[in-house]
Amino acid sequence: QSVLTQPPSVSGTPGQRVTISCSGSSFNIGRNTVSWYQQVPGTAPKLLIYNNDQRPSGVPDRFSGSKSGTSASLAISGLQSEDEADFYCAAWHDSLNGHVFGTGTEVTVL
Amino acid sequence: QLQLQESGPGLVTPSETLSLTCTVSGGSIISSSYYWAWIRQPPGKGLEFIGTIYYSGTTSYNPSLESRVTISVDTSNNQFYLKVSSVTAADTAVYYCARHHRPYSNWRYVDYGLDVWGQGTTVTVPS
Repeated sequence: QSVLTQPPSVSGTPGQRVTISCSGSSFNIGRNTVSWYQQVPGTAPKLLIYNNDQRPSGVPDRFSGSKSGTSASLAISGLQSEDEADFYCAAWHDSLNGHVFGTGTEVTVL
Repeated sequence: QLQLQESGPGLVTPSETLSLTCTVSGGSIISSSYYWAWIRQPPGKGLEFIGTIYYSGTTSYNPSLESRVTISVDTSNNQFYLKVSSVTAADTAVYYCARHHRPYSNWRYVDYGLDVWGQGTTVTVPS
């Protein structure tokens, strides 16, 4: 059972801005950095955001991350059909001594 | 460019041991600030962190799996391994290996995420 909670799904029309929330605790997000992953069904996850708000090389600046207290958010601006995927937040969990994932959010472009 | 590739049997008999290998190419497994991780994803479900290992052999496991999991490393072959004992149908999943960026900064480790992934390998344990 995941210790990071995300909404099961979000949707938007092309060009719209959508956000995905990730709720944790003082043992994970509250003390550690947050990462976000994008997973197109049938493929391996891809690192989208690390260190709360940093984008690896090649990730479009339409994707942005933020963190406040024990919660984090991923925003996708200028939504495109190719953004349809599952998105997962993650963070180190101190008492579990491991990298924990969120429950996952399916993004649908209407 | 660093690449990871999982390999191992696609079908495992219940109560037996699942064994997978992750081969690292395009770079060395002996790398400071980087750990090497195993993650799995049951059909239709989310991601589950199994554990991680440093090239020196230091490991960290998911407490829910720790009693059945062993992760090891072979620096001479640039590979790391996963063993899960006493498998059941609940262990059926796609298994991924990945590089875990965890630099040491300001007297603590910082988690910068899993930045390189293998393509994944499907393991089935029949019920």
